Amino acid sequence: EAQVTQNPRYLITVTGKKLTVTCSQNMNHEYMSWYRQDPGLGLRQIYYSMNVEVTDKGDVPEGYKVSRKEKRNFPLILESPSPNQTSLYFCASRGLAGGHEQFFGPGTRLTVL
Amino acid sequence: QKEVEQDPGPLSVPEGAIVSLNCTYSNSAFQYFMWYRQYSRKGPELLMYTYSSGNKEDGRFTAQVDKSSKYISLFIRDSQPSDSATYLCAMSGGGSYIPTFGRGTSLIVHP
Repeated sequence: EAQVTQNPRYLITVTGKKLTVTCSQNMNHEYMSWYRQDPGLGLRQIYYSMNVEVTDKGDVPEGYKVSRKEKRNFPLILESPSPNQTSLYFCASRGLAGGHEQFFGPGTRLTVL
Repeated sequence: QKEVEQDPGPLSVPEGAIVSLNCTYSNSAFQYFMWYRQYSRKGPELLMYTYSSGNKEDGRFTAQVDKSSKYISLFIRDSQPSDSATYLCAMSGGGSYIPTFGRGTSLIVHP
């Protein structure tokens, strides 16, 4: 089954404790992206990657890091989380050929205390 | 002014009503227009996709693009409680693969 998976789905942590949210897709997509979704603000892009070893900042990159060492994986790293990073996070992927559909993961609910 | 404007709602309608959801945009380079549906506690899923201007119909759903007015719409006929979700418009083009999303409109269809 074609899908984007994220782990963990739910995470409660404390300020300053480094964490990683994993994202993996099985569709051989070149493009992968991370979004955060907050009430009233909608989806905001954090980082994206057009292919392996190619990453770029989105609209709200501060406090986040990403890496793209393999085509299927695109982890999101919060090296020193703060309460304002409490949010719902989505990973997405799409192929660069054909249509513009993005496939989204199920989301990760992060709470930083 | 945001590049894509979408009223967040909520929009509450009775079952069977015709629903109209809308977005306006400012970037005339946009050519690809999408509507995503997001159920509570789920990721967005593509519902409709339109290239350039015109209408596209899929069952009870019709997507309409008016590039001259920079205005897109999603119509839902005979709305059902199962249509209750957040609907996000998205658009891209001008050589960019990166879509710009609206904030989403929350739709509630009550029995």
